[in-house]
Amino acid sequence: QVKLVQSGAEVKKPGTSVKLSCKASGYTLAYNTLHWVRQAPGQGLEWMGWIGGGSGDTRYSQRFQDRVSITRSMSENSAYLELSSLRYEDTAVYYCARHVSAALDLWGQGTVVTVSS
Amino acid sequence: EIVMTQSPLSLPVTPGEPASISCRSNQSLLYRNGNKYLDWYVQKPGQSPQLLIYLGSNRASGVPDRFTASGSGTDFTLKISRVEAEDVGTYYCMQSLETPFTFGPGTKVDIK
Repeated sequence: QVKLVQSGAEVKKPGTSVKLSCKASGYTLAYNTLHWVRQAPGQGLEWMGWIGGGSGDTRYSQRFQDRVSITRSMSENSAYLELSSLRYEDTAVYYCARHVSAALDLWGQGTVVTVSS
Repeated sequence: EIVMTQSPLSLPVTPGEPASISCRSNQSLLYRNGNKYLDWYVQKPGQSPQLLIYLGSNRASGVPDRFTASGSGTDFTLKISRVEAEDVGTYYCMQSLETPFTFGPGTKVDIK
């Protein structure tokens, strides 16, 4: 079964970093671009960035440019999102999603990140 | 960045009746290859978003044919011919023409 399985919930203090994982099952993650999208409580969807299929180049939203890093591991068939200098407003559900035919056709179940002192 | 708007933001519907959601972008999503880089997603309560429509008017795999979508370069519409109870959720349009990809604010569809 083709799916994306994300890591579990995180609780972090302001100013620290969090690294989330997204493991592909049933397909090779590196064959497609992989995006990260987040959703703050009660809010809409916000695109954060992607890691390209093949070369693994990355592109980030300017909003997170200095704080975000997306990487991948071919051996783990996984992608990772690291967000640093966490703020209370980074509290959100973070989704990974596969990009096929100019759309996000497969989404992970989401990871809840809570930033709290 | 490309700004996406949607209307209405809230849409109470009666099962069996049609429904329509509008999405607009502040610049054309029509690329020189003829594709319109506009997708529709639905997020049902407690779930991850799921793809409904890609490239403006193409239904994703498994999407019922009561969902249709159309549009020009900047104005797009998602239509549900006969709403069913399972269609409750928030509908988002998203442009994938250029980064940053941007979403509309969402239209919450619920049953009257």
